[in-house]
Amino acid sequence: DGGITQSPKYLFRKEGQNVTLSCEQNLNHDAMYWYRQDPGQGLRLIYYSQIVNDFQKGDIAEGYSVSREKKESFPLTVTSAQKNPTAFYLCASSVYNEQFFGPGTRLTVL
Amino acid sequence: GENVEQHPSTLSVQEGDSAVIKCTYSDSASNYFPWYKQELGKGPQLIIDIRSNVGEKKDQRIAVTLNKTAKHFSLHITETQPEDSAVYFCAASRAGNQFYFGTGTSLTVIP
Repeated sequence: DGGITQSPKYLFRKEGQNVTLSCEQNLNHDAMYWYRQDPGQGLRLIYYSQIVNDFQKGDIAEGYSVSREKKESFPLTVTSAQKNPTAFYLCASSVYNEQFFGPGTRLTVL
Repeated sequence: GENVEQHPSTLSVQEGDSAVIKCTYSDSASNYFPWYKQELGKGPQLIIDIRSNVGEKKDQRIAVTLNKTAKHFSLHITETQPEDSAVYFCAASRAGNQFYFGTGTSLTVIP
């Protein structure tokens, strides 16, 4: 998992609550990404950021928000507007095209 | 945008046999093609990659081939071992921007 940490590993929340997933990297990578993974499916891009204070929506950004105030950190907030938030969330960072992933956070909304 | 298709979705092989997973992509501007291995409950790990200026790359039992004309690339694992059992993802990227992933192949190596 390199120098990318995600916390917590497991997260439980009640429906209607916002929740923030942490992603920190010490690889000095400029670009960072958030993906969602559902059982038996590939990775779908939620948001990505190529530089501090800038980020772009991915394919499934609705119901999610991000910030990139520091190079090392790219937190993801899952809002109550996300209709089906239960999933495995993966953070990644990249340099020179090579992308490295964190260990993931499994979010379950009850 | 880019569309990456991956086949097969599941693959079972006997220990010692070879496994081949194939991916196609649609954007001719894509120039970087990584392969990831994901074990249950963990994040994907980069196992090998290839850039568009190379046709083949090998790392011990793992090799990747790229056919730019046909827009497809393949992962080859030789002498498979039980610890090779995992889900494998291919991806395509252009100039370090978005990465587009295949839907994954669940590989089972039968001892």
